[in-house]
Amino acid sequence: AQSVTQLGSHVSVSEGALVLLRCNYSSSVPPYLFWYVQYPNQGLQLLLKYTTGATLVKGINGFEAEFKKSETSFHLTKPSAHMSDAAEYFCAVSVRETSGSRLTFGEGTQLTVNP
Amino acid sequence: DVKVTQSSRYLVKRTGEKVFLECVQDMDHENMFWYRQDPGLGLRLIYFSYDVKMKEKGDIPEGYSVSREKKERFSLILESASTNQTSMYLCASSPPLRTGGAYEQYFGPGTRLTVT
Repeated sequence: AQSVTQLGSHVSVSEGALVLLRCNYSSSVPPYLFWYVQYPNQGLQLLLKYTTGATLVKGINGFEAEFKKSETSFHLTKPSAHMSDAAEYFCAVSVRETSGSRLTFGEGTQLTVNP
Repeated sequence: DVKVTQSSRYLVKRTGEKVFLECVQDMDHENMFWYRQDPGLGLRLIYFSYDVKMKEKGDIPEGYSVSREKKERFSLILESASTNQTSMYLCASSPPLRTGGAYEQYFGPGTRLTVT
């Protein structure tokens, strides 16, 4: 069974500072990994995904994440935070099952951006 | 763009009522999912379906049932609502495995249900 751990339920940064949101996963088979963002009172929106190939993946809104198999990590970064980045972020892992697939989500990290 | 719609954004029901939450997707996706989201607990999978008339229990199915009579529609049913079912409910869909997708899911806007 797979699992996801997001380190830090709340992260606060200043506008223009580096954003780093941590995610570690556990999976017995090669995983597919995702980051989603949720703005207040909205559903989840896909930020980026890792499937195979290049371990550094770029997503929307200037975010990127690096898959590190040796560290079982998939941390999300953005060089310069913007006020509009304030939201909740979820890391998820997917593993193929017999009939389909399902995602297992982390508990989420609330990002606050201070002016 | 994939569009997943949920019948209500906000819903208030009384304890013991039967509650229906409807979800419709317009991308011919075979896979559909229902989650509940609570602060500090992330998203927890209630039920999912890989095809019409198919359903599988997720991690927290107790107190819920589902119905999938048509491919585009997946309904979550609370047979007798209780206050501990007050939560945000999110529906999602994803394309079938044979399309080679990475299993990403597309989410609706959510229904915030309050049971009093």
